[in-house]
Order: sequence, then structure tokens, then C-alpha cells
Amino acid sequence: GNSVTQMEGPVTLSEEAFLTINCTYTATGYPSLFWYVQYPGEGLQLLLKATKADDKGSNKGFEATYRKETTSFHLEKGSVQVSDSAVYFCALNSGAGSYQLTFGKGTKLSVIP
Amino acid sequence: GAGVSQSPSNKVTEKGKDVELRCDPISGHTALYWYRQSLGQGLEFLIYFQGNSAPDKSGLPSDRFSAERTGGSVSTLTIQRTQQEDSAVYLCASSLVGTGSGNTIYFGEGSWLTVV
Repeated sequence: GNSVTQMEGPVTLSEEAFLTINCTYTATGYPSLFWYVQYPGEGLQLLLKATKADDKGSNKGFEATYRKETTSFHLEKGSVQVSDSAVYFCALNSGAGSYQLTFGKGTKLSVIP
Repeated sequence: GAGVSQSPSNKVTEKGKDVELRCDPISGHTALYWYRQSLGQGLEFLIYFQGNSAPDKSGLPSDRFSAERTGGSVSTLTIQRTQQEDSAVYLCASSLVGTGSGNTIYFGEGSWLTVV
């Protein structure tokens, strides 16, 4: 079956540090890959997505590249801000006709000034 | 409304009582999903509705859980005879279409259920 594994948190970084949150997946077919973010007290929001191999999703300074050869979709940001403190979820949808998102367990990021 | 709306935002109930959680999807979205977010467990798929098709109930954890969607819009998730392990955030989501891997799913803010 489908599964998503992302690095365990919590992750604590200083402002302006470089961020990487690792995500690897197992899926049948040709999945689409997503990063969702959950800010404190808010619902899940789509951060970025990629629908085919080698695509790069980007938003708000975050980016992730769909690597089929390594079945990975690592999230990166060059310079984090305090406002980026949130829980980040990697997820996949395994392809045409599929409607379920399979999520990783989430990684909590805390950015300190 | 502009987004997926859920109510109540917080619910505390006694073990053994029934609870109903409501979801109002984004207008025009034909697909509606319920997920459960438990502490340390990530997000777990519960049920999916698409238009007038029979719902996919494969994620419901027990027969105490049920959901309906009236008129293709508002959905209610019902948990009967609640147990402490039902304590979680119940997330509703909707999307414009229910198929296609690049489909974006929009989530509500969730209903936080605590069973005491």
C-alpha cells in the first residue's frame, strides 16, 4: 500500500537558517506529492505540490522536487522566519482514480529569533 | 463561504454519549472527505463522498462511526457511544473534483473532540 515517511520532529532552527524536512514515499502508479502546513490554531493548508517526476513545487520561499529515482519529496527553504513555525505534512495521492491523500506523521518546526 | 466550515470547533463529551460533527464544504465542490488527526498518529482517512455515488467508508474505524451527506453539500459525521480513544481532531475537506492525482484538497479547521 501507499505510505509516506517524513523526518521526526521537532525541529528547532534559528531565524534565517536553512531548512530541510525529508520525505520519502512508497506508492503504486504515478503519485502526486504534496506538502501541507498547519499553523498553530489553524487548519491544514496546501503549501505546494508536484504532479510528476522532476517537477518542482514552490510557494512562500519553500520548494520541493519530485524525485522518482529516490522516491523523495524533501521540503527546503533557504532562510526560515519565525512565522514559518508550524507542523509540516508530506502527503501523496497515488494517481488517476484515487482520491485519498496518504499523509506522513508531520514534522513540527519551531523557529526562534 | 470562502472555505470549509466545521462545527463545533471544540466538543467535550462523556464516554458513551453520541456526538455529531458538521461540515459545510466549499460551494461547488463535489468531493468531501473526513479525516481524523490523533496525537502522534498523523492524519487518518475516514470516509469520502463524491457527488451522488456511494461513499467510500473504508476508513471508518468501527460501526460506531457513520457519516452522511445531504443534498450533495453539508455532511455530518456521527460517533455513537463515544470512547476515550475517539478523542482527536476531526478534519473535513473538500475538492472540486474527486479524481485526478493533482487535485487540491482544501481542509477545514477541524472539530476537536475530547471524550472524558
